[in-house]
Amino acid sequence: AQSVAQPEDQVNVAEGNPLTVKCTYSVSGNPYLFWYVQYPNRGLQFLLKYITGDNLVKGSYGFEAEFNKSQTSFHLKKPSALVSDSALYFCAVSSGTYKYIFGTGTRLKVLA
Amino acid sequence: DADVTQTPRNRITKTGKRIMLECSQTKGHDRMYWYRQDPGLGLRLIYYSFDVKDINKGEISDGYSVSRQAQAKFSLSLESAIPNQTALYFCATSEDRTGGLTDTQYFGPGTRLTVL
Repeated sequence: AQSVAQPEDQVNVAEGNPLTVKCTYSVSGNPYLFWYVQYPNRGLQFLLKYITGDNLVKGSYGFEAEFNKSQTSFHLKKPSALVSDSALYFCAVSSGTYKYIFGTGTRLKVLA
Repeated sequence: DADVTQTPRNRITKTGKRIMLECSQTKGHDRMYWYRQDPGLGLRLIYYSFDVKDINKGEISDGYSVSRQAQAKFSLSLESAIPNQTALYFCATSEDRTGGLTDTQYFGPGTRLTVL
């Protein structure tokens, strides 16, 4: 079965420090991986995706993610966190022709 | 996002009532989706539609039905609402550039539904 896991319910980081939000996946074929962010009272917004090629993917708002095939991971990173980055982050893997499988979400809190 | 709108944004109803949630999009996408979000469970797919004549069940379709009235409109109905359908509901669209596997999805702002 295909699945995605976000092992941390919440991540706290001080403003200006680097942040990492973890995601691991399990798929039978080639993985197509996504990160979305949800701000309060808003829908999910696309941040970035890995399809093929360079393992380091750059996305919106200064975020990037590194695809690691051997560790089946796709961790989201940012070199310097902002208070405005505080939100709920979802990792997703594409499965089949229509379906995303979403992780359970990680709440990021950036402390001033 | 303004390109994908959902009405109502909030709704409180009683057990047994029929409820319709509506979604409209101006992105011109063929594919539309309904998800529900529950704390600690992430998003789960209820129904999806590849075009007006193609509607499919997702992983949690029991108790729900949908109607694709036009390319731009996709409605979700709860025929007889029950308390465990209390959740945040999202509509999404995608463009189907590559057969769906790598498509980015674009989400509406959500409808918060409470069933008493």
